[in-house]
Amino acid sequence: DTEVTQTPKHLVMGMTNKKSLKCEQHMGHRAMYWYKQKAKKPPELMFVYSYEKLSINESVPSRFSPECPNSSLLNLHLHALQPEDSALYLCASSQDPGPNTGELFFGEGSRLTVL
Amino acid sequence: GEDVEQSLFLSVREGDSSVINCTYTDSSSTYLYWYKQEPGAGLQLLTYIFSNMDMKQDQRLTVLLNKKDKHLSLRIADTQTGDSAIYFCAGGSGSYQLTFGKGTKLSVIP
Repeated sequence: DTEVTQTPKHLVMGMTNKKSLKCEQHMGHRAMYWYKQKAKKPPELMFVYSYEKLSINESVPSRFSPECPNSSLLNLHLHALQPEDSALYLCASSQDPGPNTGELFFGEGSRLTVL
Repeated sequence: GEDVEQSLFLSVREGDSSVINCTYTDSSSTYLYWYKQEPGAGLQLLTYIFSNMDMKQDQRLTVLLNKKDKHLSLRIADTQTGDSAIYFCAGGSGSYQLTFGKGTKLSVIP
């Protein structure tokens, strides 16, 4: 199994809602990532988990809250988002959490629309 | 940190070769990558090259690396309509973070 699975594929939420994005991998990878991708732009790193611990937070607003319940799962909790947060949210994993990570395996993404 | 530049668009005829170019700034990148993104989908790793290599070939894909000029290219031989996508060059600067270029949109004309 070389897949990273993300749910839901599409999510529409209001600015007062609380929702979560989920990501799962069963490749035994020790690093998991959240990226944000706006239309016609490259992915931008948000968070990195290494061995289930948050190792990088790229100055992401607190309305985004990551969680790594176990080595296979990664969640992104969303609360009080703004319309400009609408984007494709990509989860990725890699075998090695160290420097120069090697191959990143990406999920298909969750397309978020904030009304 | 790393800075990665790519041209934004490339249009080729089906059956021709495509060459997508990329320049980067951080010579300490150990790996350089090419990712493909089809519309509405995530990123798929196409190939990568170690910084101590000049060339890597993988079926229709050829990656050339010129370390002196910090220039990376991806050649796709016999380009097909299924190759139409956005291609991202990415480099690692010794941390967890990959820096992606802005992406080159490849359009293949039947």
